[in-house]
Amino acid sequence: DVKVTQSSRYLVKRTGEKVFLECVQDMDHENMFWYRQDPGLGLRLIYFSYDVKMKEKGDIPEGYSVSREKKERFSLILESASTNQTSMYLCASGRGGAGDTQYFGPGTRLTVL
Amino acid sequence: GIQVEQSPPDLILQEGANSTLRCNFSDSVNNLQWFHQNPWGQLINLFYIPSGTKQNGRLSATTVATERYILLYISSSQTTDSGVYFCAVSGSARQLTFGSGTQLTVLP
Repeated sequence: DVKVTQSSRYLVKRTGEKVFLECVQDMDHENMFWYRQDPGLGLRLIYFSYDVKMKEKGDIPEGYSVSREKKERFSLILESASTNQTSMYLCASGRGGAGDTQYFGPGTRLTVL
Repeated sequence: GIQVEQSPPDLILQEGANSTLRCNFSDSVNNLQWFHQNPWGQLINLFYIPSGTKQNGRLSATTVATERYILLYISSSQTTDSGVYFCAVSGSARQLTFGSGTQLTVLP
């Protein structure tokens, strides 16, 4: 079974702090994704990566950065957390190509005070 | 970008009832999927449905690409079906665009 793990299930941070969210997948997938989920808005893509050291902006990249130094690990970084970044963050991975699905981690619920 | 609309946004059913969820999209796409998010937040793919109809137990999905919508049927619903159902599509790009979801509650 594909396994996608995220470093924290719940996280509470203060405004202005630097926040790291880690995601690890064990299926050698090329593609990895970071989404945020907010009520009534569905999942919105923040950043994605098709290869090591490669990154592409999604629909809402402002205020975020990412790092992919190893194939299995994709990190989301909030340089200076703000209260409007309070959300559920979901990581996903997949092989890519037509018909490929994405496998999701359990999510990190981040609260910024 | 591609716009995706789901209906209804909320649905409450009595156990044993049937339901149909709908997803409309704005442009030609080649990757249509349904996901279920359980009450604990875990998202799982239900169907990849580029065309026609697929069935998996009490669930089935149908794509009507010419009219730009897909359907998810849930028959004889159970409390374990509760959660949020998302459709997701993609066009030429490999990333998926998700709808805003249907919150389903099945009452015992």
